[in-house]
Amino acid sequence: RKEVEQDPGPFNVPEGATVAFNCTYSNSASQSFFWYRQDCRKEPKLLMSVYSSGNEDGRFTAQLNRASQYISLLIRDSKLSDSATYLCVVNRDDKIIFGKGTRLHILP
Amino acid sequence: EAGVVQSPRYKIIEKKQPVAFWCNPISGHNTLYWYLQNLGQGPELLIRYENEEAVDDSQLPKDRFSAERLKGVDSTLKIQPAELGDSAVYLCASSYSSYNEQFFGPGTRLTVL
Repeated sequence: RKEVEQDPGPFNVPEGATVAFNCTYSNSASQSFFWYRQDCRKEPKLLMSVYSSGNEDGRFTAQLNRASQYISLLIRDSKLSDSATYLCVVNRDDKIIFGKGTRLHILP
Repeated sequence: EAGVVQSPRYKIIEKKQPVAFWCNPISGHNTLYWYLQNLGQGPELLIRYENEEAVDDSQLPKDRFSAERLKGVDSTLKIQPAELGDSAVYLCASSYSSYNEQFFGPGTRLTVL
């Protein structure tokens, strides 16, 4: 089992809809978690950190479920500009592991 | 504030040739990373520096890859000799520490013919 796993998608979602995707991690000692966004042929950029209590930034909500070892990202009222690949990142003992990413296409 | 700078942005070489990539991290960032990213994949860590010390190079193919971070600032990643399978995007990132947000440079797209 890979240490960090994501559904590669693509998720094809109509504009205005709500979409959610998860990222599972295998090592319970993982300590910090992030969601990054990567546009086509661009570098990854931090979307948001994921805190134990869950956190929200505008239309985006990130949650951590330590018992089931996954993090989630929820996007409400999706925009065309949300089309991108979403990468989850898990830190464990100074090891940084990126998932392969989930591709999201917002359809007009 | 200037971001992470990488050069060159693109490089095309023939197999068996050497190639080098350069990275200038954000000022004050102690941690520097080199990643390799293939199409449709997430970035894969090659090496991580804390200041000038390489603290994680377990995924660096040391038979052909080398890296250095002199004076704990700029870093260079070298491949010698390059192989066809090395074609990828090489990303440099930096952060205050390994638990903080990473900021990525634009990457170097390497094509080995």
